[in-house]
Amino acid sequence: LAKTTQPISMDSYEGQEVNITCSHNNIATNDYITWYQQFPSQGPRFIIQGYKTKVTNEVASLFIPADRKSSTLSLPRVSLSDTAVYYCLVGVMDSNYQLIWGAGTKLIIKP
Amino acid sequence: NAGVTQTPKFQVLKTGQSMTLQCAQDMNHNSMYWYRQDPGMGLRLIYYSASEGTTDKGEVPNGYNVSRLNKREFSLRLESAAPSQTSVYFCASTLGANTEAFFGQGTRLTVV
Repeated sequence: LAKTTQPISMDSYEGQEVNITCSHNNIATNDYITWYQQFPSQGPRFIIQGYKTKVTNEVASLFIPADRKSSTLSLPRVSLSDTAVYYCLVGVMDSNYQLIWGAGTKLIIKP
Repeated sequence: NAGVTQTPKFQVLKTGQSMTLQCAQDMNHNSMYWYRQDPGMGLRLIYYSASEGTTDKGEVPNGYNVSRLNKREFSLRLESAAPSQTSVYFCASTLGANTEAFFGQGTRLTVV
């Protein structure tokens, strides 16, 4: 079964830039890459979505290389409130089309 | 504008009991999903409904059934609960196949 791969955990300090990479070798040709944030006891919340190159919004940037087999979520100047689990989500073509969630990266921000 | 509403928030069942988890969205979304999330794990898709009137199996459908009652509502039924179904269940909706998903607050289910 096609899947995505992310680091299990990362930690950083307030004010730093944090980059989380997800690999997705079987991404469907025309599909988007989406990242979500999840706090304990809550449902995931959309952060950013992109198809190729670079996308930026008010909270993050998403870098996607030309082959689209990976993507990097970049969080600028993190704060303690960015401590959460971050998931990548892609559509893949296996025997049929499926949306595949990564296992999540637990990000801990220290003061 | 409530978004995605799930009920109940918590439930304890005995092995063999049945129950239905309810989900409703008020965003006029076409697609709805049921996921389960086990402790420390990512989301696994149980069933989804790409549009009103259709339902399809996801990664872990065994032991569950779904009904897309109308465009707003998508219910998940456990016919005979098992301890392995202890998990947090999330309902989500999207306008299209891989567009921004909106999640409910989750249902924490314990089967004893």
